[in-house]
Amino acid sequence: DVKVTQSSRYLVKRTGEKVFLECVQDMDHENMFWYRQDPGLGLRLIYFSYDVKMKEKGDIPEGYSVSREKKERFSLILESASTNQTSMYLCASSTVAGGPGDTGELFFGEGSRLTVL
Amino acid sequence: LAKTTQPISMDSYEGQEVNITCSHNNIATNDYITWYQQFPSQGPRFIIQGYKTKVTNEVASLFIPADRKSSTLSLPRVSLSDTAVYYCLVGDMGDDKIIFGKGTRLHILP
Repeated sequence: DVKVTQSSRYLVKRTGEKVFLECVQDMDHENMFWYRQDPGLGLRLIYFSYDVKMKEKGDIPEGYSVSREKKERFSLILESASTNQTSMYLCASSTVAGGPGDTGELFFGEGSRLTVL
Repeated sequence: LAKTTQPISMDSYEGQEVNITCSHNNIATNDYITWYQQFPSQGPRFIIQGYKTKVTNEVASLFIPADRKSSTLSLPRVSLSDTAVYYCLVGDMGDDKIIFGKGTRLHILP
């Protein structure tokens, strides 16, 4: 079975702290994604990566950065956490899609619930 | 970017067939339609994907009319454990983004 593992299920941080959220997948997937999920807003894409050292902005990249130094690992970084970044963060991975318009199958981790005080 | 529109919530009863419709008027020629299911405190998981007509697997069926401007996820004989949020996605040819909408919260009643 594909496994996507997020390093922490629950974190509590203070405003201004630097926060690292780690994600590791074990199926040699090319694509990796970070989403945040908030009540009433669904899942919103923060960043994604389709190869090592490659990254692309999603819909809400402001206040976040990412790192992909190895194929299996995709990190989300909050340089200076703020209270409006309190959220559930979900990491996902997928294989290269079959063709244009084919999103492939996304495999998600269990999520990291971050609270910023 | 093909956006999707789904009902915010639906209620049904155990044993019923549930149909959730998704509108995607701007779907591109090569876009696929994919549905995900999310239980509380878990990440979404893939249910089914299709391009046109009908697709069926062990979990659900997906009906796509000829114009492909909408699609319907059909869950046969639902149980309480089918209570979840269901997301409809349409593949984006433009820049490989995978965009989720707000989903449909399905509540199954005993």
